Amino acid sequence: AQSVTQLGSHVSVSEGALVLLRCNYSSSVPPYLFWYVQYPNQGLQLLLKYTSAATLVKGINGFEAEFKKSETSFHLTKPSAHMSDAAEYFCAVIPSGGGSNYKLTFGKGTLLTVNP
Amino acid sequence: KAGVTQTPRYLIKTRGQQVTLSCSPISGHRSVSWYQQTPGQGLQFLFEYFSETQRNKGNFPGRFSGRQFSNSRSEMNVSTLELGDSALYLCASSAAGGADTQYFGPGTRLTVL
Repeated sequence: AQSVTQLGSHVSVSEGALVLLRCNYSSSVPPYLFWYVQYPNQGLQLLLKYTSAATLVKGINGFEAEFKKSETSFHLTKPSAHMSDAAEYFCAVIPSGGGSNYKLTFGKGTLLTVNP
Repeated sequence: KAGVTQTPRYLIKTRGQQVTLSCSPISGHRSVSWYQQTPGQGLQFLFEYFSETQRNKGNFPGRFSGRQFSNSRSEMNVSTLELGDSALYLCASSAAGGADTQYFGPGTRLTVL
């Protein structure tokens, strides 16, 4: 079964610093990969999605993620953190094989804190 | 285009009761998925409906059930509530399911006392 590992349940950065949130997947065949963000008391908002068209995916709010097959990784980055980026971030996968497995499997989430 | 809406936003129930949650997908979307979010287990897939048929199911007991109507609106029902059912229940819609992007609603916060 597909699984997703997010390294670091809590990441703290200073405003203006680089944001790096790590995500690794377990699959011999590259899946579809997603990053979602959740603000307090809200649902999940899609940041970006990897569908094999390009290894570097640009998303909303200045975030981007790079797919690295050799490392089975899909880390999320943002060059300069803003206070409004404080939220919980989830990496998720859908297997590319499809069939009955077309369901999002989420990582445990990483809580991002941005310090002034 | 209006987003995914869920009602009610908050619910308080007692053990043994049953509850029904509602989800209205984005207009034109035919797939609706449900997820349970808890601090301990994180986000877990419950089931997916497409064109009024359950197409995919997660690993939850039979107390959790759902349905989808011809207008793609979906409901999920939990019977004989347990304390452990306290969670945020999220609904997501996509155009046709599969690998299509899922768009989430704000969730229904269920508290079981």
